[in-house]
Amino acid sequence: QVQLVQSGAEVKKPGASVKVSCKASGYTFTSYGISWVRQAPGQGLEWMGWISTYNGNTNYTQKLQGRVTMTTDTSTSTAYMVLRSLRSDDTAVYYCARDRRRTVGATTIDYWGQGALVTVSS
Amino acid sequence: DIQMTQSPSSLSASVGDRVTITCRASQSIASFLNWYQQKPGKAPKLLIYAASSLQSGVPSRFSGSGSGTDFTLTISSQQPEDFATYYCQQSYSNPFTFGPGTKVDIK
Repeated sequence: QVQLVQSGAEVKKPGASVKVSCKASGYTFTSYGISWVRQAPGQGLEWMGWISTYNGNTNYTQKLQGRVTMTTDTSTSTAYMVLRSLRSDDTAVYYCARDRRRTVGATTIDYWGQGALVTVSS
Repeated sequence: DIQMTQSPSSLSASVGDRVTITCRASQSIASFLNWYQQKPGKAPKLLIYAASSLQSGVPSRFSGSGSGTDFTLTISSQQPEDFATYYCQQSYSNPFTFGPGTKVDIK
């Protein structure tokens, strides 16, 4: 069965960086993209970006451009998301998710990781 | 950016009720619209993709319709496990924005 297992909760100080990992199993990793979505406490869902596991192409939301980097390691079927220059409003649960968009086309997120809480606090 | 709105923001329903949630896009997105269900403390779950296609394993009481700017998610007969928050997401253009959510609770 499809599984996306994320790294654990993190507490970071403002200005620091965080790296969240997402290990996929149960499907051919390079046949699907990976999207990242975050959810601040008590708030809605915010799409952060997408990476093609096939060719490494990325799309990021303009809001996070310059602070976020998404990568993959196809040898271990693992995706990574790094967010830099953290602020208090980056406190959220960060989800990785399998996306049917492999290289082009519409994005459809069909399986989600369990989420990783990142808390930014001095 | 395409803005997504949902109405109502919350509703109360009884088991067996027909529930309808509306999602509106700020510009035409054709049929590039997905619906997700999220329960407290859990990751979202895909219900409907491409406006009206039922995700595998999702009960047939869920259905989606619409195109252009106006979309609807319908639960034909609300079940106890359907009390949750529902989000629409446009998959037409970057950033692939979500609606603010509709919380469905027990009347």
